[in-house]
Amino acid sequence: AQKITQTQPGMFVQEKEAVTLDCTYDTSDQSYGLFWYKQPSSGEMIFLIYQGSYDEQNATEGRYSLNFQKARKSANLVISASQLGDSAMYFCAMSSYTGNQFYFGTGTSLTVIP
Amino acid sequence: NAGVTQTPKFQVLKTGQSMTLQCAQDMNHEYMSWYRQDPGMGLRLIHYSVGAGITDQGEVPNGYNVSRSTTEDFPLRLLSAAPSQTSVYFCASSYSRGRQVYGYTFGSGTRLTVV
Repeated sequence: AQKITQTQPGMFVQEKEAVTLDCTYDTSDQSYGLFWYKQPSSGEMIFLIYQGSYDEQNATEGRYSLNFQKARKSANLVISASQLGDSAMYFCAMSSYTGNQFYFGTGTSLTVIP
Repeated sequence: NAGVTQTPKFQVLKTGQSMTLQCAQDMNHEYMSWYRQDPGMGLRLIHYSVGAGITDQGEVPNGYNVSRSTTEDFPLRLLSAAPSQTSVYFCASSYSRGRQVYGYTFGSGTRLTVV
């Protein structure tokens, strides 16, 4: 069975500093996708970044990058140059190989300190 | 292009009542799914659909029914509401091509309270 683990319930980072949010996963599938979502206090789920299991290079989207270590089954999110607007809950998720089922971690609450 | 639209945004039900949460997408995505989000538990999959006429159960399907008569719509029905179904419900849509998943988009959510 698929499982996503986020071991950091809460994180603090100074504005303009970089922060890494941890995510490990467990699956027996060879083909899968890894996602990160941001959920601000308003409640919507905002897609940040995607990594396919066959992608050899780490995904990057602006200030977000995904540190994908397949052998260790980890998919950490790195946010560079943190901004006050980055304060939110962050969820790591894994999709089945067909992309029609998602499995979510319990989330990490990030607070950016001015 | 509205993306994924969920209605209503808020709802209060009495125990035993039934209701339907609506979800519609205008992106022609083949996959649609429903999740519930409870405090400290992340999102859990209730039901999903891989195309019109095809649905399947997720992790927490009990007490919910779905149908997919069109590509665009994927309503979630609560048969007899219970306080344990108090949650925030999200609908999502996506499609895949080969080994890549694309367009995984969430609706804005429905906050349901059962009293």
